[in-house]
Amino acid sequence: KAGVTQTPRYLIKTRGQQVTLSCSPISGHRSVSWYQQTPGQGLQFLFEYFSETQRNKGNFPGRFSGRQFSNSRSEMNVSTLELGDSALYLCASSSTGTSGTYEQYFGPGTRLTVT
Amino acid sequence: DAKTTQPTSMDCAEGRAANLPCNHSTISGNEYVYWYRQIHSQGPQYIIHGLKNNETNEMASLIITEDRKSSTLILPHATLRDTAVYYCIVKRSQGNLIFGKGTKLSVKP
Repeated sequence: KAGVTQTPRYLIKTRGQQVTLSCSPISGHRSVSWYQQTPGQGLQFLFEYFSETQRNKGNFPGRFSGRQFSNSRSEMNVSTLELGDSALYLCASSSTGTSGTYEQYFGPGTRLTVT
Repeated sequence: DAKTTQPTSMDCAEGRAANLPCNHSTISGNEYVYWYRQIHSQGPQYIIHGLKNNETNEMASLIITEDRKSSTLILPHATLRDTAVYYCIVKRSQGNLIFGKGTKLSVKP
């Protein structure tokens, strides 16, 4: 099975611009979660989508938004970029196993640099 | 979700077993112990998870104490490629992962 793919892998944007990142989950996985990783804050949860609905949300401002399509692919958008948004953005997909547990499989991430 | 405590860093000789401890004294009955690792600048990689019983897969073994207040991840024959940050996470079956600072494991030749 192909793994989680994220595009683009690297991105440079200017303060005030907006950006859209894309994530394609593992085939058959219906849940997609997004995380932000910075040296100062570590790995932080942004939000999770399941069957096109946001199921869970972290503590990030409204500038961070996402959506999921019927094929489970997901996008996240950051508007009005700030220097502090420079980070590695990670997407993870999962499916609910029969035991009710589910492991998350991460993509390689998108490295966003805001100048 | 329960909080976990891990050592900041550990060293291990190549070819030896790496035993990474994790304390989770406030774990609830319906919470699982998950282990992930992150090799520099890559996405975290799922390793293993368990509820009560010890678990083993092709990557590692997970030993959970009977009172479930602590666990140990065992990499039986560590290689240089196992050098990474290892995260122990306790959570309910669903819900997001809350990453702490993890343990930086350095495997040395």
